[in-house]
Amino acid sequence: DAKTTQPNSMESNEEEPVHLPCNHSTISGTDYIHWYRQLPSQGPEYVIHGLTSNVNNRMASLAIAEDRKSSTLILHRATLRDAAVYYCISPGSQGNLIFGKGTKLSVKP
Amino acid sequence: DAGITQSPRHKVTETGTPVTLRCHQTENHRYMYWYRQDPGHGLRLIHYSYGVKDTDKGEVSDGYSVSRSKTEDFLLTLESATSSQTSVYFCAISESGVRASTEAFFGQGTRLTVV
Repeated sequence: DAKTTQPNSMESNEEEPVHLPCNHSTISGTDYIHWYRQLPSQGPEYVIHGLTSNVNNRMASLAIAEDRKSSTLILHRATLRDAAVYYCISPGSQGNLIFGKGTKLSVKP
Repeated sequence: DAGITQSPRHKVTETGTPVTLRCHQTENHRYMYWYRQDPGHGLRLIHYSYGVKDTDKGEVSDGYSVSRSKTEDFLLTLESATSSQTSVYFCAISESGVRASTEAFFGQGTRLTVV
């Protein structure tokens, strides 16, 4: 199963963009890169996922490196409600999501 | 929000007693998962199901069993609870499995304390 590496924590100011990096150098060529986030006292929630090209949705953008060894989750304007733990995930061999420790994002007003 | 409900939300039980946690979905998704979350470990897969009566073990399955007799319900049973099973348990559902590029939806979690 592919392993992902993320910084333990990051800080951002409210209404500024946030770039959350992830390394996944061992991911297979056919596995999608998934991002989930977990707000305090809640279950994880889906943010975005992609395979090769950059992806956008209402929550965020995902920029995937051409060699697929890394990706960056972009929150265009951070709000206080975006404070959460963000997980970069690759699927496991059992079709499950393999969670690491994620990046704890703090947003300052 | 995806229709996924975990029950109970909180439970305190004594060591050695059996405990069953229930995950109920209204989305008719094929895949269902049980994870546990502990400080310093993130979420770890306990068991999962890929259809009615089709289940398989995950990373931390010792001491747990599961059953899925209906599409909508996935039960996690601790046959004889131990203090090491004190944790927050999350159920998740997925339409086609995450390797098929579908997203997973998680329940709100069950906080289990074994004393």
